[in-house]
Amino acid sequence: QQQVKQSPQSLIVQKGGISIINCAYENTAFDYFPWYQQFPGKGPALLIAIRPDVSEKKEGRFTISFNKSAKQFSLHIMDSQPGDSATYFCAASRETSGSRLTFGEGTQLTVNP
Amino acid sequence: EPEVTQTPSHQVTQMGQEVILRCVPISNHLYFYWYRQILGQKVEFLVSFYNNEISEKSEIFDDQFSVERPDGSNFTLKIRSTKLEDSAMYFCASRETTGAGELFFGEGSRLTVL
Repeated sequence: QQQVKQSPQSLIVQKGGISIINCAYENTAFDYFPWYQQFPGKGPALLIAIRPDVSEKKEGRFTISFNKSAKQFSLHIMDSQPGDSATYFCAASRETSGSRLTFGEGTQLTVNP
Repeated sequence: EPEVTQTPSHQVTQMGQEVILRCVPISNHLYFYWYRQILGQKVEFLVSFYNNEISEKSEIFDDQFSVERPDGSNFTLKIRSTKLEDSAMYFCASRETTGAGELFFGEGSRLTVL
């Protein structure tokens, strides 16, 4: 019930292309869905987050699409750049209780020049 | 920019030894967390801490683990008797408030148990 499933495990995209990473969750009590970016040797850093009262959130080249009925959300990276090469984790939590983040398995994104 | 700092960056220890990992959360933050990441795997929650007590812990956080906020700035994770499977990157994180606050992670402490 606490799991968050993420796919694909790895993704290779050409510079300028669109990167899409998908996540699905089980627990309908989750009400906060962040995406974290992690570079090698660094801690995860918040990239963008969404709450279930909206279906889409955009910040620059990064967009989260959220489908509450399907219990799925995805990250779209437009005009992908080599500097975007990192591991991306989706996560979910019950924000109102300040509870723990449950992370997906991670997607290693490589953007080729 | 304020940040969560962790020490040591890397610790190598023998199985059965005690290890203490240290963290200095962002100064005005009230909620503190430890997560771990086994190499190549996802980030897993260990424990959350608020108002000088554990507010939630995972099934991973057994009796071998303990947390403490010994003073106004440090937040520590102690592993009493390390096992091979404790080898992982341990991340400290902090949050200003519950609810809408962003969770800030440190750069991690890599623990290698031999």
